[in-house]
Amino acid sequence: DQQVKQNSPSLSVQEGRISILNCDYTNSMFDYFLWYKKYPAEGPTFLISISSIKDKNEDGRFTVFLNKSAKHLSLHIVPSQPGDSAVYFCAAIGGGADGLTFGKGTHLIIQP
Amino acid sequence: ETGVTQSPTHLIKTRGQQVTLRCSSQSGHNTVSWYQQALGQGPQFIFQYYREEENGRGNFPPRFSGLQFPNYSSELNVNALELDDSALYLCASSKGSYNSPLHFGNGTRLTVT
Repeated sequence: DQQVKQNSPSLSVQEGRISILNCDYTNSMFDYFLWYKKYPAEGPTFLISISSIKDKNEDGRFTVFLNKSAKHLSLHIVPSQPGDSAVYFCAAIGGGADGLTFGKGTHLIIQP
Repeated sequence: ETGVTQSPTHLIKTRGQQVTLRCSSQSGHNTVSWYQQALGQGPQFIFQYYREEENGRGNFPPRFSGLQFPNYSSELNVNALELDDSALYLCASSKGSYNSPLHFGNGTRLTVT
């Protein structure tokens, strides 16, 4: 039973364009959401987060949008840069659950 | 500021053996958690320690156990290894508040044969 779903295993975007990574969740008790980025042979690195009381959070080139009614969040990266090529994980916490629940990740490839 | 460090980086064990993985938390962090990442999957929460006590656990059997030491370093122990235990084991530390982001180490790659 996957409570956090990232339905696109991979995404290819041209350098300079917008990258949009999507994430759906099923547990309505989740109240805090995070995005992590992972390069090969390294641990995940925290990117950006959003509380369920907000619908948008922005940090430089990264913006996360939350649609609670649809149980959907997205990460926008603009403009996309070659160094953004990595695996992106969506994660959630809340409802008394211990620890973060992660999706399976989306491999973002930025093409020159 | 020293980040989260894990040792060893790679390990090969035989089914039925026991293994201990180690982690040093980032300075200033008092909470440590462990995650298992199987191939093609996202990290799965094993357990979390705060002030040397386990204060959260995921859906893992008791043969997965841990320790947190007064200096906030930590160990993950796995007994009676099974082939399915082959995975990347990630340690993460944080300041302990609910919305405090986790800082991950680079992981230990465990292979069980």
